[in-house]
Amino acid sequence: GAGVSQSPRYKVAKRGQDVALRCDPISGHVSLFWYQQALGQGPEFLTYFQNEAQLDKSGLPSDRFFAERPEGSVSTLKIQRTQQEDSAVYLCASSQRRGLLGTDTQYFGPGTRLTVL
Amino acid sequence: KQEVTQIPAALSVPEGENLVLNCSFTDSAIYNLQWFRQDPGKGLTSLLLIQSSQREQTSGRLNASLDKSSGRSTLYIAASQPGDSATYLCAVRRLGGSEKLVFGKGTKLTVNP
Repeated sequence: GAGVSQSPRYKVAKRGQDVALRCDPISGHVSLFWYQQALGQGPEFLTYFQNEAQLDKSGLPSDRFFAERPEGSVSTLKIQRTQQEDSAVYLCASSQRRGLLGTDTQYFGPGTRLTVL
Repeated sequence: KQEVTQIPAALSVPEGENLVLNCSFTDSAIYNLQWFRQDPGKGLTSLLLIQSSQREQTSGRLNASLDKSSGRSTLYIAASQPGDSATYLCAVRRLGGSEKLVFGKGTKLTVNP
């Protein structure tokens, strides 16, 4: 079946612009995650949803970052007034979460590479 | 705060060699540990997931072990091939609460023909 898809794959923004990044998880997956990956680093957690509920947003670096998943499927990560330090790859992942004893492997999309000039 | 360290940061080996990648974590209260592979410009591909109650998992030429009490995991790759060249990332999910993963910085592996 189809994997996690993200759009756009590449985004160039001028400093101060707002951007919106989209994630389509694997159909039926309950949990959805956003991570930020800087060059040469491992991914850093931003936020995650279980269905439409945002259960943890502790990784969002500032109030300029906002994520939503209104119908429990597609998610959007919005960054307002972008700054150069926001340049990174933004990865989305989803998992089936079969309960506490489930395997909950996270499946990742290809990422959106954001460059802020 | 959970911290994940991967050693070495980079590794170059000739084709056919067996190799071990190391991952250590500071908080042993984990729910599971996952090994991923990342190719340049691509997302992450899950290789193996070990639950906290397990000691190891195997898939083909890959074997991952977990020693939760000492905060260590290893990924063993047998008979390496040039196609194994990639960055390998280790990630842990803590016990209870958030399902988020905490990642190491990865080991960049190059297998030379």
